[in-house]
Amino acid sequence: KQEVTQIPAALSVPEGENLVLNCSFTDSAIYNLQWFRQDPGKGLTSLLLIQSSQREQTSGRLNASLDKSSGRSTLYIAASQPGDSATYLCAVTPGSNYQLIWGAGTKLIIKP
Amino acid sequence: DAGVTQSPTHLIKTRGQHVTLRCSPISGHKSVSWYQQVLGQGPQFIFQYYEKEERGRGNFPDRFSARQFPNYSSELNVNALLLGDSALYLCASSSGLGGSYNEQFFGPGTRLTVL
Repeated sequence: KQEVTQIPAALSVPEGENLVLNCSFTDSAIYNLQWFRQDPGKGLTSLLLIQSSQREQTSGRLNASLDKSSGRSTLYIAASQPGDSATYLCAVTPGSNYQLIWGAGTKLIIKP
Repeated sequence: DAGVTQSPTHLIKTRGQHVTLRCSPISGHKSVSWYQQVLGQGPQFIFQYYEKEERGRGNFPDRFSARQFPNYSSELNVNALLLGDSALYLCASSSGLGGSYNEQFFGPGTRLTVL
């Protein structure tokens, strides 16, 4: 059974710092992995999608990497800003079906 | 272009009642999925529909049901509401299944409170 874990559960850093969020999964047989952002009480915004054949994806100040063999993905945020404060969730699409399996998220606070 | 839309935004019901949540996917998307998110946790998969057929069902009781219409919009129905059904219900659409077609885009959610 696929399980997704995100560590740490919460992170607080000063504005301007570069930071890394971690996501691990137990079964390497995945179609893809997605990173999402969720603002309090709101829906989910898709940030990056990495296909199983890819190693990384970049969008602006965000870079996501995928290492299937070790069951890990990282989301790198460069030059963090207070507007980056949100909960960041990762989700994998298993190889056996198309539903998303989620981590519990990392709550990120960027201090001005 | 409009994103995924959901209605209503908020809903308050009492135990034992029935509720219907609605979702309209992004234009051109043929797959709709439903997720339940309890406060402080990641979403849990409930259903996936593609081309009006159920393609996946999560570990939820039979009180939960859904359907997809010819225009690809979808309804999620929950009968005999329990306090534990209180959650944010999220709808996601994707253009298809598998690979990049499975990139899912989410609506703002419906906040259901059961009293």
